[in-house]
Amino acid sequence: AQSVTQLDSHVSVSEGTPVLLRCNYSSSYSPSLFWYVQHPNKGLQLLLKYTSAATLVKGINGFEAEFKKSETSFHLTKPSAHMSDAAEYFCVVSLPWAGTALIFGKGTTLSVSS
Amino acid sequence: DGGITQSPKYLFRKEGQNVTLSCEQNLNHDAMYWYRQDPGQGLRLIYYSQIVNDFQKGDIAEGYSVSREKKESFPLTVTSAQKNPTAFYLCASSIEAAGKVSGYTFGSGTRLTVV
Repeated sequence: AQSVTQLDSHVSVSEGTPVLLRCNYSSSYSPSLFWYVQHPNKGLQLLLKYTSAATLVKGINGFEAEFKKSETSFHLTKPSAHMSDAAEYFCVVSLPWAGTALIFGKGTTLSVSS
Repeated sequence: DGGITQSPKYLFRKEGQNVTLSCEQNLNHDAMYWYRQDPGQGLRLIYYSQIVNDFQKGDIAEGYSVSREKKESFPLTVTSAQKNPTAFYLCASSIEAAGKVSGYTFGSGTRLTVV
């Protein structure tokens, strides 16, 4: 069975400081991995995805994530937080074939203070 | 513009009533999904459909029903058997390329409240 664990339910940073949101996965197969962001009462927006190409994946809004197979991790980072980054972030795993639903982590709420 | 439309955005239901949430996509995607979101629990899969006239139960299908009569539409009915229906419901669709999923698109959600 595959699953995904987000290690922190809540992360607080100051504006201008780095962001690290941690995610570990377990899968018997080579998964596709995603990070989604959700602002209050909104749908989900894709930040970035890993699909077995380059292990360092760059996404929108300055976010990036590194796939580390040896650590089964896919942590999300950003060098400098902005107030508009405050939202909930989901690490998501999917088996790499058709018709497969996404498996979501429980989410990490990012707070950014001025 | 192509996308997924969920309606209504907010929905109120009296206890004991059935209610249907709409999900329409014009992306020509084959697969569609319904997720339920509760605080601190992430998203959990209710039902999904890979092709027209076929659908599969997800992790929390009890108290819900779906239909897939058209490729573009995947309505979700929350029945009176669902004991705790108050939640945020998200619809999604996915496209395949060479037999693999290459992207997912989410709707903007429907917030259902039982009053």
